[in-house]
Amino acid sequence: GAVVSQHPSWVICKSGTSVKIECRSLDFQATTMFWYRQFPKQSLMLMATSNEGSKATYEQGVEKDKFLINHASLTLSTLTVTSAHPEDSSFYICSARLAGAKNIQYFGAGTRLSVL
Amino acid sequence: GQQLNQSPQSMFIQEGEDVSMNCTSSSIFNTWLWYKQDPGEGPVLLIALYKAGELTSNGRLTAQFGITRKDSFLNISASIPSDVGIYFCAGLTTSGTYKYIFGTGTRLKVLA
Repeated sequence: GAVVSQHPSWVICKSGTSVKIECRSLDFQATTMFWYRQFPKQSLMLMATSNEGSKATYEQGVEKDKFLINHASLTLSTLTVTSAHPEDSSFYICSARLAGAKNIQYFGAGTRLSVL
Repeated sequence: GQQLNQSPQSMFIQEGEDVSMNCTSSSIFNTWLWYKQDPGEGPVLLIALYKAGELTSNGRLTAQFGITRKDSFLNISASIPSDVGIYFCAGLTTSGTYKYIFGTGTRLKVLA
């Protein structure tokens, strides 16, 4: 099956610093990747759609200057949380869509961000 | 953001019992996916549905795409302890950016 790798799995940072999370599709090319945020005991909330070679599309209420997304290749998308604050602490999960008619999305293992 | 309603929100069952859960929406979807998420992990795909009325199985799991295209059902037969987790449905929007909307989740706990 299609494998999506997300790194790091866990990160602790000081308030005011920036954190970069990587999402890689290991055995397939993904023109579209997605970034989700999940609070404890809640569902996945889509933050943005990452398109290879173009600007990301952000969901309403998500600050694009706060959550920088770069999708420079068909296998890598990055999410940078800039000037992180404690309220940014959350579980961030990426997914990659397998190209073709099936529209299947495969998820990474997630990154738990704790901002002190 | 928009979410799909899943029912039940949580359930405790005895090992060996069958489980049923559903996902409903006011919108029509062309594709339904069912995922299982373990604590601290990303969701893992269980079943994909593409046609209204479609019934698809994956081992002890069976899912159906509702004929109205506004709902989907997941059944787990003969539950085992490792079925514990959160089950999410996801429907693919039919217009705009073609993104998946996720359900509110069903938390399953299996009593041995």
